[in-house]
Amino acid sequence: GQQLNQSPQSMFIQEGEDVSMNCTSSSIFNTWLWYKQDPGEGPVLLIALYKAGELTSNGRLTAQFGITRKDSFLNISASIPSDVGIYFCAGQLGGGSQGNLIFGKGTKLSVKP
Amino acid sequence: EAQVTQNPRYLITVTGKKLTVTCSQNMNHEYMSWYRQDPGLGLRQIYYSMNVEVTDKGDVPEGYKVSRKEKRNFPLILESPSPNQTSLYFCASTRRGGFSYEQYFGPGTRLTVT
Repeated sequence: GQQLNQSPQSMFIQEGEDVSMNCTSSSIFNTWLWYKQDPGEGPVLLIALYKAGELTSNGRLTAQFGITRKDSFLNISASIPSDVGIYFCAGQLGGGSQGNLIFGKGTKLSVKP
Repeated sequence: EAQVTQNPRYLITVTGKKLTVTCSQNMNHEYMSWYRQDPGLGLRQIYYSMNVEVTDKGDVPEGYKVSRKEKRNFPLILESPSPNQTSLYFCASTRRGGFSYEQYFGPGTRLTVT
């Protein structure tokens, strides 16, 4: 089936540093969603992207929908300890699908104060 | 407050004892789904529902049942749980319309089958 390749798998950074992660696929997507999951909790929607080339911000988070519609990235600026968690990308397939999401395996972010 | 609720949050049971995990959303969404999350495997869809009385299999439906008798509720049923169904389960509700597509998750149910 379709797959999303999310990288990196994990990151260990110093507080105040910027973070970048991305998802790529061989499939074309209509929508990209980015989530954050804290331990033992459900994923929380951070940003939704709907158009190729779209750049959207949510506070210190910025995400972009790749021009080819096969990739997306998420940047976090000036990281703080509460940014710790697992970040997931999810893509909704194009081409008339029922609209199910495909998820990346996640990027685990650790922030050292 | 717009939300997806699940109950119970934690459940320990024995092999073969039927159980139901409830899910409810207050956002009037038509589309709902169930996922399981396992280390190294990520989120995998079990079942989904496009509307009342309309359900379909996801990627890993074996051993599970669902029903959708009302728009707000989408229970997950394990008729005869087995240890390989030990996992973290999430219900999700999706807002779809025009170009908009946003999926919201419940808080999760951690199930252990011994």
